[in-house]
Formats: sequence, structure tokens, C-alpha cells
Amino acid sequence: DQQVKQNSPSLSVQEGRISILNCDYTNSMFDYFLWYKKYPAEGPTFLISISSIKDKNEDGRFTVFLNKSAKHLSLHIVPSQPGDSAVYFCAASGLTQGGSEKLVFGKGTKLTVNP
Amino acid sequence: DTGVSQDPRHKITKRGQNVTFRCDPISEHNRLYWYRQTLGQGPEFLTYFQNEAQLEKSRLLSDRFSAERPKGSFSTLEIQRTEQGDSAMYLCASSLDRGFYNEQFFGPGTRLTVL
Repeated sequence: DQQVKQNSPSLSVQEGRISILNCDYTNSMFDYFLWYKKYPAEGPTFLISISSIKDKNEDGRFTVFLNKSAKHLSLHIVPSQPGDSAVYFCAASGLTQGGSEKLVFGKGTKLTVNP
Repeated sequence: DTGVSQDPRHKITKRGQNVTFRCDPISEHNRLYWYRQTLGQGPEFLTYFQNEAQLEKSRLLSDRFSAERPKGSFSTLEIQRTEQGDSAMYLCASSLDRGFYNEQFFGPGTRLTVL
């Protein structure tokens, strides 16, 4: 049962345009959401996060939007650059009985930015 | 470099052998996580430590798996009697407990291949 879903396995955009990556979740106990970027043979790199008390968080070219009623979040990259080409993972967490903030990941979206 | 480090980066073993992986978290981070990633999937949570205490384990963590964090610093993950299904990328992440909403920072991973 996939609690975090990234329905687009891949996305291709032109350099300079906007990239929009989408993510849906089913567990209403999630209250913190993160985006990670992953290059081949490397671990995921933290990009940006948002807590459930906000609907938008911005960091440079990256903006994450959260729609709690729709259980949907999106990552916008503007402008897209060829170096942004990577797999992007959406992750969600909520406090568990053990006190961890374990992350539940989607399957990822492979972004290709064409020069 | 003060990031999360993992050793070895690659491990090839024969079915039935035991393997051990090491993770060195960011030095001041008191929380440590292990995840496993297989092809085409996002990372999946395995276990969580707060300081030296193992507080949560996933059902994915069979009896053949054991993890330790003896002094609350580095951690080891051992797999006994490896099976081909154990082939995966094993990722370690750490975070600093500042209250809620703590980003996890990942190491480069150990890629295990079981022949």
C-alpha cells in the first residue's frame, strides 16, 4: 500500500522553463514533507521541506506547495537548469510511537532538463 | 568533510555469507536511521536509533538483520545468511533532534550484491 505516490515516473523540460513535480499522500497523520534529489550512485540530497502548518515554502529556485485538503504537494523549479537533471523523491513523515520521524518515500520522478 | 559516511560503498557476497556495513553520522546528530532502496523504488525505512537506543524497527527487518549503535556515534548493520533478495542499496541517514520537523541527511549508501 503506497502511502506516498509520485505518479509521473519521468518528466522532461527545456532549460529555463518551469519544472513541476507532483506528489500525493494518503496518510492524514503525515505532518512534514520533504523533497530529495538523487544522482546515480549517490545518496539522496535534501532539497526543501514544508510542515503541515504552511502551504508554501520557498528556497531560491525551489518552491514547495502543500494542499492538505487534497493531500497533494508539488515542487516547482524555476528556472530549470541541466544540472537539475536527477531523480526527485517526495517523502513524508509523522511522529511514530517509537518517537522517530521515519520517512515514507514515493518511487521518484526522473527529471531531465534539456539544454 | 562533515557529512554522513558509509563503508564499504560496494559489497559483493555469496548467498549464505554474513556482511556488516558501517555508518558514521554527522557528529552532533543524535538520531540515526537505516533505509533500504531497491531498483525503481524509493528508500524504505528499516530502523531508528536515538543516541544508542534502538527505538523502532520495521517489519522489513527480519531476524537475520541486526543493527547497533554502541556509543551513540557510529552504527553497524549486519545481515546474516544473506539471500539474493537482500541485494539493494543500504542507506544511512542522521538528523539532529531540535523538536519537530528535522531534516534527515543521507550518506552515499552501500550497494550490496548477493550472488
